[in-house]
Amino acid sequence: EAQVTQNPRYLITVTGKKLTVTCSQNMNHEYMSWYRQDPGLGLRQIYYSMNVEVTDKGDVPEGYKVSRKEKRNFPLILESPSPNQTSLYFCASKDRERYGYTFGSGTRLTVV
Amino acid sequence: GQQVMQIPQYQHVQEGEDFTTYCNSSTTLSNIQWYKQRPGGHPVFLIQLVKSGEVKKQKRLTFQFGEAKKNSSLHITATQTTDVGTYFCAGQGDYKLSFGAGTTVTVRA
Repeated sequence: EAQVTQNPRYLITVTGKKLTVTCSQNMNHEYMSWYRQDPGLGLRQIYYSMNVEVTDKGDVPEGYKVSRKEKRNFPLILESPSPNQTSLYFCASKDRERYGYTFGSGTRLTVV
Repeated sequence: GQQVMQIPQYQHVQEGEDFTTYCNSSTTLSNIQWYKQRPGGHPVFLIQLVKSGEVKKQKRLTFQFGEAKKNSSLHITATQTTDVGTYFCAGQGDYKLSFGAGTTVTVRA
């Protein structure tokens, strides 16, 4: 089944403890992106990648890192999480030619 | 930077009624996409509009792209309980896809 898989689905962590949210897609998509969703703010782009080793900042990149060493994987790294990074995170991927992103099921992160 | 505004934020609809949600961009867009997110779910791609003035229909949903390619609308006729959820527009600039805040739709049976 064609899908974007994020792990974990839920995570509660403490301030300052490094964490990684994994994202993997099995559709051979070139484009991948991370979004955070907060009430009243919609989906805001954190980082995006147009292909392997090509990444760029979105609208809210502060406090996040990404890497794209393989086409299928696009992990999101929080080096030192803070409470304002408590949010619902979505990974998404898209083929260069086709329309529309396919989203993962989301990761609900709470930083205390 | 590119900003996409969407109104209304909430839409409470009687089953069987019509409603429209609107999307406006601060810049000219290369295309606009619409997504639907069911409660507790993830956004699901509905459609993309590319041409100025383009109108597309999906059953009871009608999508329109403005002549200046800076605004769009989604009109739903004869609302059903299955239409519940949040509808997002997303404007495509050069490489970035910017989402509006969404219109959350509830339906009274």
